[in-house]
Amino acid sequence: GENVEQHPSTLSVQEGDSAVIKCTYSDSASNYFPWYKQELGKRPQLIIDIRSNVGEKKDQRIAVTLNKTAKHFSLHITETQPEDSAVYFCARGGNTPLVFGKGTRLSVIA
Amino acid sequence: DGGITQSPKYLFRKEGQNVTLSCEQNLNHDAMYWYRQDPGQGLRLIYYSQIVNDFQKGDIAEGYSVSREKKESFPLTVTSAQKNPTAFYLCASSTTGPNEKLFFGSGTQLSVL
Repeated sequence: GENVEQHPSTLSVQEGDSAVIKCTYSDSASNYFPWYKQELGKRPQLIIDIRSNVGEKKDQRIAVTLNKTAKHFSLHITETQPEDSAVYFCARGGNTPLVFGKGTRLSVIA
Repeated sequence: DGGITQSPKYLFRKEGQNVTLSCEQNLNHDAMYWYRQDPGQGLRLIYYSQIVNDFQKGDIAEGYSVSREKKESFPLTVTSAQKNPTAFYLCASSTTGPNEKLFFGSGTQLSVL
């Protein structure tokens, strides 16, 4: 499937600061954009997702924004905590299986 | 945990050998997937199946084979044709298809002896 570009590949923030991870895609048929969190040695787990009829979605400290015109979407984590440290993957879906970005390793420094 | 079980957790392959990774789910999901995870490469799709007795190739299917004889099971065989098999393999399932939440298994780490 067509790639998803994810940036940055690594991100370090101080505890309490915000973290932003951005993804871009090129397939116009994409209409589903989930984010997965993978802690060290564990399976990826869905943390939030957004569909193309919505521009923003929030769940406590996590939010995702989608700009379908520009074909990019972002994950925002506010008031970061050490337990937010993990690898985060964005993905896009449409009428084919999910295509994942290469991941962002987030480190939250206490 | 999650209703999708992969085994074994660790697997070692000798050169020229085929090995099979097991994936079983009790979530009554129609769709199942195999992804390969390499450091810094994200998750790349190997094969997927949306219904019993049917499956499609993903982006990196060469050197792999699958079967879907039962709804609950989607085993992956890494054949000797796969020259670089060392990776972390993740199985996943979802309710109806691509735009639904994926539930992942805990993965199998395959290494070459």
